[in-house]
Amino acid sequence: GAGVSQSPSNKVTEKGKDVELRCDPISGHTALYWYRQSLGQGLEFLIYFQGNSAPDKSGLPSDRFSAERTGGSVSTLTIQRTQQEDSAVYLCASSLSGSYNEQFFGPGTRLTVL
Amino acid sequence: KNQVEQSPQSLIILEGKNCTLQCNYTVSPFSNLRWYKQDTGRGPVSLTIMTFSENTKSNGRYTATLDADTKQSSLHITASQLSDSASYICVVSLQTGANNLFFGTGTRLTVIP
Repeated sequence: GAGVSQSPSNKVTEKGKDVELRCDPISGHTALYWYRQSLGQGLEFLIYFQGNSAPDKSGLPSDRFSAERTGGSVSTLTIQRTQQEDSAVYLCASSLSGSYNEQFFGPGTRLTVL
Repeated sequence: KNQVEQSPQSLIILEGKNCTLQCNYTVSPFSNLRWYKQDTGRGPVSLTIMTFSENTKSNGRYTATLDADTKQSSLHITASQLSDSASYICVVSLQTGANNLFFGTGTRLTVIP
């Protein structure tokens, strides 16, 4: 596709369950970012990939959060033992390398933890 | 501390009217500043980008200004349309660092008929 895609678009889960969120970046974009957006809040940086490596994991809120990227393309964000405070929209963005390059965002995954 | 603050937090205007959104930042060393538009249920989309040397940049009815000395930017929307209803996010980029973006919390604009 032409843009960044994310799946699922919506996920409802029970507290304590694990969830996996997927991001398909724009082909050729070496940089990939995960953000979290809580209701009425700004974007919160989670993790950044350059290729398959993650030079900056400083935004991951706890060790229940992890992410990987394979083949320099698809990325998966995993949240283990979900808590209610994990409920938010998780946004993925990709870009060419360099701070001047625009980040193209996916539509997000809305996660609701009951 | 690197921060980006936006005002107002929310704004309601009548269709056809103009409005101006503000962004103040303390990010340094500054690289560039973007304004994004985020429709409800969608990811943000870039409207404009400005570097240190640029004072004004337009994209249709959207005009962004930048004063690098006072570290202020504004986004002016002319002749607003119902489709302009969205959140507008100011994002400032550092010159260095793997993750070098700082996001404002956005201004929620509602255009009413």
